[in-house]
Amino acid sequence: ETGVTQSPTHLIKTRGQQVTLRCSSQSGHNTVSWYQQALGQGPQFIFQYYREEENGRGNFPPRFSGLQFPNYSSELNVNALELDDSALYLCASVDGGGGSYNEQFFGPGTRLTVL
Amino acid sequence: GQSLEQPSEVTAVEGAIVQINCTYQTSGFYGLSWYQQHDGGAPTFLSYNALDGLEETGRFSSFLSRSDSYGYLLLQELQMKDSASYFCAVRDLDYGQNFVFGPGTRLSVLP
Repeated sequence: ETGVTQSPTHLIKTRGQQVTLRCSSQSGHNTVSWYQQALGQGPQFIFQYYREEENGRGNFPPRFSGLQFPNYSSELNVNALELDDSALYLCASVDGGGGSYNEQFFGPGTRLTVL
Repeated sequence: GQSLEQPSEVTAVEGAIVQINCTYQTSGFYGLSWYQQHDGGAPTFLSYNALDGLEETGRFSSFLSRSDSYGYLLLQELQMKDSASYFCAVRDLDYGQNFVFGPGTRLSVLP
C-alpha cells in the first residue's frame, strides 16, 4: 500500500508568480484535502476534492484553485503569489466511500517560499 | 465562524501523564480529532470522538463533552518520542464536514 506523496518537496517563487503543487493519494482513497500550514500554526483547510468535484472550501481567495484527476491524484494551483503564501502545503487523503472518513492520511508536504 | 483554543506549550517528564485541552466554538460540530506532528513531519492521526465520553488507544486517550464544547487528549507513560505538536481538529458541517484545526500544543518531554 502506497502512502500519500507530494511534489515537489521545496519550491521558491517570487511574488506575482503562479505555482502548481501535486499530490498522489493513498491507494484506494478517493478524497483529497489540501491544507496550508504557516510556521508554528495549525493546518488551515483550503478545499477538498471528492471524485473530481470540489467538496467544501475554507476561507481562501479564488486564486487558490484545484483539480482532481480520475486516478484521484490532485493539484493545488496558486496564482498571483503573495509573500503570505509562504507555508507548508499539506495534502491529505481519506477513503470517502465508506472507510474511516475521519482518519486522514497526510503527505510530507511541499514547503513553498515566496520572495 | 469557527474557533479552537489549545494551550500553546506543555512540559512534562518521562513517565508522567499529561492532558492537553481543546475548547471549540462552531455552529456545525460533527466530531473532534487529534493529530500528532513531529518537527519537519506530517500530521498523523491519533483519535476521533463523535460522541461524548472517553476513547482509549494504548497510551493515548481522548475525551469529548459536546455540551461543554470541550475535549482533551491524555497521554500516559510519557516517552521522549512523544515530544511533538498536538492538534485538535473539529469536523464541521459548515465546511462540508471537513476539518478545522486548532493552533496546536507543543509538548516537550524531559528526561
